[in-house]
Amino acid sequence: SQTIHQWPATLVQPVGSPLSLECTVEGTSNPNLYWYRQAAGRGLQLLFYSVGIGQISSEVPQNLSASRPQDRQFILSSKKLLLSDSGFYLCAWRRGDNSPLHFGNGTRLTVT
Amino acid sequence: QKEVEQNSGPLSVPEGAIASLNCTYSDRGSQSFFWYRQYSGKSPELIMFIYSNGDKEDGRFTAQLNKASQYVSLLIRDSQPSDSATYLCAVTPYNTDKLIFGTGTRLQVFP
Repeated sequence: SQTIHQWPATLVQPVGSPLSLECTVEGTSNPNLYWYRQAAGRGLQLLFYSVGIGQISSEVPQNLSASRPQDRQFILSSKKLLLSDSGFYLCAWRRGDNSPLHFGNGTRLTVT
Repeated sequence: QKEVEQNSGPLSVPEGAIASLNCTYSDRGSQSFFWYRQYSGKSPELIMFIYSNGDKEDGRFTAQLNKASQYVSLLIRDSQPSDSATYLCAVTPYNTDKLIFGTGTRLQVFP
């Protein structure tokens, strides 16, 4: 069976500090990978998605970036966090265009 | 116009009733449609997916799709207090790898 791991579960970072969130998927190969952000009381905003190693599509450029160094690894980064970056960050995977999306447990980021 | 729209609610129904959740989408060529449930502080979990016009049933849940009207709905029969959560509609627009979510409808089932 497939599993998705996302860490850390919670993170408190000061404004201007860097960020690195990591996500890995097990039990499948060549998954589509996604990063979403959910601000408090809001919907899911698609940030980045990837259909293969080194292929990143950006929906919300801002001060965030994503990388996919390995087939089942997806990393979300920032060089300098803003207060507005606070939120619930969710990594997800799916097999193809029309298959369901499966989420990790999420990282709750608070920027102070 | 938002790509995927849902009424934010809350939708309040008594225990045992049918809860009806609705979603509209803007891309007429969208091909796959999903309903997720999200409890407060947790990640979304998949409830149903539907690809073709008509109804699809799974236990107490029924998804309904009408592509001509660009409308997808979720019916929850015999609603339970444990069904109280936010329900997210998601759509894959035509010829993309994206999955776009609505803002969700909060459902409250009272005893």
